Amino acid sequence: DIVMTQSPDSLAVSLGERATINCKSSQSVLYSSNSKNYLAWYQQKPGQPPKLLIYWASIRESGVPDRVSGSGSGTDFTLTISSLQAEDVAVYYCQQYYSLPLTFGGGTKVEIK
Amino acid sequence: QVQLQESGPGLVKPSETLSLTCVVSGYSISSDYYWGWIRQPPGKGLEWIGSIYHSGSTYHNPSLKSRVTISIDTSKNQFSLKLSSVTAADTAVYYCVRHVDNSGYSPWDSWGQGTLVTVSS
Repeated sequence: DIVMTQSPDSLAVSLGERATINCKSSQSVLYSSNSKNYLAWYQQKPGQPPKLLIYWASIRESGVPDRVSGSGSGTDFTLTISSLQAEDVAVYYCQQYYSLPLTFGGGTKVEIK
Repeated sequence: QVQLQESGPGLVKPSETLSLTCVVSGYSISSDYYWGWIRQPPGKGLEWIGSIYHSGSTYHNPSLKSRVTISIDTSKNQFSLKLSSVTAADTAVYYCVRHVDNSGYSPWDSWGQGTLVTVSS
């Protein structure tokens, strides 16, 4: 199984400041034949199901604000919220879809400082 | 706009079988996409359980070994999960989901609201 490790477990950021979440996979999720990273990011607010934010490591899902971005390749990935808003308070998960079983990181809780 | 809705008992006794159904509206499941189940124990992270295509092709998480059965009923536009020999560790919110494509090796862009299943005598 590919183990996904997120850091930090939680972070508190002031409104308008940058939030950065890291995700590391135990093996590469870059598929050489198409040069795509099989990595997605989700946002989960309390009492709601997760919402897909990013796929292929850096492609924003329709409707996701451009202050949210994904980067990285191979085994190291980052989700960045460039200017944190109150509605961004949530738990964020990375997920690999390179191989079965499909696996998630443990989550990062983002709060307002 | 596709919508997914889970249904089933909220309480299951240990050693019994958990059974859930996901009714899909706004899209015909026989058209395309893989469909799946994900669970989340209270206060914890997410675990993929398994996925199915309208042809009946399935993938599932080996961690659940042979306890999982996922089936699909295209005539009712729904798919189902059965998890046998449950224990307290199977207590979780169960989500039904739609993959973004027909490979099964893909993320999920549509989620049900989730249903809490508690395993307790």
